[in-house]
Amino acid sequence: QQKVQQSPESLIVPEGGMASLNCTFSDRNSQYFWWYRQHSGEGPKALMSIFSNGDKKEGRFTAHLNKASLYVSLHIKDSQPSDSALYFCAVGTGGYKVVFGSGTRLLVSP
Amino acid sequence: EAAVTQSPRNKVTVTGGNVTLSCRQTNSHNYMYWYRQDTGHGLRLIHYSYGAGNLQIGDVPDGYKATRTTQEDFFLLLELASPSQTSLYFCASSDAGGRQAPLFGEGTRLSVL
Repeated sequence: QQKVQQSPESLIVPEGGMASLNCTFSDRNSQYFWWYRQHSGEGPKALMSIFSNGDKKEGRFTAHLNKASLYVSLHIKDSQPSDSALYFCAVGTGGYKVVFGSGTRLLVSP
Repeated sequence: EAAVTQSPRNKVTVTGGNVTLSCRQTNSHNYMYWYRQDTGHGLRLIHYSYGAGNLQIGDVPDGYKATRTTQEDFFLLLELASPSQTSLYFCASSDAGGRQAPLFGEGTRLSVL
């Protein structure tokens, strides 16, 4: 059964700083990877996807994938207070379902 | 615009009570999911469906039933609610199962006293 683990559980970064979130998965058949962001009182929303090994950049956000190492990460450059949220790593193998990690709570301090 | 709507948004019941959580999607998606969210556990899959009348067991199904009456509507049933089922529940939909990021509703907060 797929296991998706995230670290750290919580993270505090200063405004303008770099936030780095980590995720490992267990199933080598995994092909589809997403990062979700959830603000308080809202449902999770997909932030970005990555399906190929390497880096994918979207604005201040960069996702990195290494399938051989069973590892995916998210880096947020120039962090803003509005980035404060709960971030989930989500992994799909191409079957029926997507498995989520336990989340990293990010706080960006002004 | 793609949407997943859950009702009610908040629900309080007593131990042993019956609860039905409702979800409707207007996205013409085939797949629908029920998750529960608890601190330290993230989002855990309870049940899911890939079409009207279909039901699949998720990772934490004990104490829950579900029913997909139409392509749009998916219900989660707690027939004998227990305090351990106090949680934040999310419904989600997807057009391509595990190959597409699920689209989530706004959640239902359930308290079982």
